[in-house]
Amino acid sequence: TQLLEQSPQFLSIQEGENLTVYCNSSSVFSSLQWYRQEPGEGPVLLVTVVTGGEVKKLKRLTFQFGDARKDSSLHITAAQPGDTGLYLCAGERGSYIPTFGRGTSLIVHP
Amino acid sequence: GAVVSQHPSWVICKSGTSVKIECRSLDFQATTMFWYRQFPKQSLMLMATSNEGSKATYEQGVEKDKFLINHASLTLSTLTVTSAHPEDSSFYICSASSLTSGQEGGYEQYFGPGTRLTVT
Repeated sequence: TQLLEQSPQFLSIQEGENLTVYCNSSSVFSSLQWYRQEPGEGPVLLVTVVTGGEVKKLKRLTFQFGDARKDSSLHITAAQPGDTGLYLCAGERGSYIPTFGRGTSLIVHP
Repeated sequence: GAVVSQHPSWVICKSGTSVKIECRSLDFQATTMFWYRQFPKQSLMLMATSNEGSKATYEQGVEKDKFLINHASLTLSTLTVTSAHPEDSSFYICSASSLTSGQEGGYEQYFGPGTRLTVT
């Protein structure tokens, strides 16, 4: 059983559309990170959320941490081809060993 | 931001040989480094957790005698794939753990660029 359920697994959209990626768990996390990975490269940290209910914005990306700190979402507004990549959520439960979701492979067509 | 390097970025080796991959934290000291394996379009699979000066902790199903990990300093960890076989071909990624820069605490992972291993 995957500790962090990430959905959808694949997403193919047109440039300009909006999308949301979800990361859900039955466990409480002390912090949660979102990463973006391009083919052949390592994941790049986008954001860390720590406080329940927290919302962080990074240009067209909006990250939200659930009130109970069990789930998180990533919303991209007006997606661009440069947003194409694998998006990963990772939760940390105080042991400093992260738990990764399965990832969401996003393709944005021009 | 924290920078982690990995070397080599890609390597091709013959079956039966051993390959060493280096992971370095360039601008911070990392007491903990992680080694992951990743298959195409899939998430990261944690192989082992490496703490400086102590033996690595391997995840279930990962052979410690095949994947030798050494973490001799706070900035360097190495993964040696011994007697490599074609099924070991994969993308190997390391990460280094650092406390978050904010007041909230917690740890963040900073990843290396990965090493593509192909065993022929």
